[in-house]
Amino acid sequence: AQSVAQPEDQVKVAEGNPLTVKCTYSVSGNPYLFWYVQYPNRGLQFLLKYITGDNLVKGSYGFEAEFNKSQTSFHLKKPSALVSDSALYFCAVRDGTSGSARQLTFGSGTQLTVLP
Amino acid sequence: GAGVSQSPSNKVTEKGKDVELRCDPISGHTALYWYRQRLGQGLEFLIYFQGNSAPDKSGLPSDRFSAERTGESVSTLTIQRTQQEDSAVYLCASSVDGSSYNEQFFGPGTRLTVL
Repeated sequence: AQSVAQPEDQVKVAEGNPLTVKCTYSVSGNPYLFWYVQYPNRGLQFLLKYITGDNLVKGSYGFEAEFNKSQTSFHLKKPSALVSDSALYFCAVRDGTSGSARQLTFGSGTQLTVLP
Repeated sequence: GAGVSQSPSNKVTEKGKDVELRCDPISGHTALYWYRQRLGQGLEFLIYFQGNSAPDKSGLPSDRFSAERTGESVSTLTIQRTQQEDSAVYLCASSVDGSSYNEQFFGPGTRLTVL
């Protein structure tokens, strides 16, 4: 079984400040981790993923995420937030072990609000 | 277009009616997924198609839900005898193939409201 927890329903930061959106996961095999963003009335857009290699992953729109195996975390970060970053963010996991189910398991989402 | 498309964008129906939702994946993508997103919640996996393999139906919540896919193209999700708890946004996604490391590309969703 696999699961994702996003402990914060909402995160608010001031424009120009760094932001962090937290995610922890549970998976029996190798974790493949993804971040998606959802703008109002639109589908999910892929931001970045961790499959293997460097623990710090860089993605779209200046976002990055750090994989921490010991803490089973994959927090999303950005050094300087923009008002346009305000959206709903989802963390997702799937088990990369051969033969495992292919569907993503999503967290419940974190609403990020960047204040001008 | 280059992305995943879904139709209709909105569907309002009466309890007990059947509805059919359509998904056009990105051309060349062999894997297709359906998810359900209830208001204020994350996505729930419904069903997964990969090429000509038997679909993974493990996420379908009841036998009122079914889905088909024509080859590696269009998919339809059918909900029979709709109930109010079926009200949600239904999202379709496709990926190049079913490999675990490939990201999924999502359509804009169909918002279903059951009165």
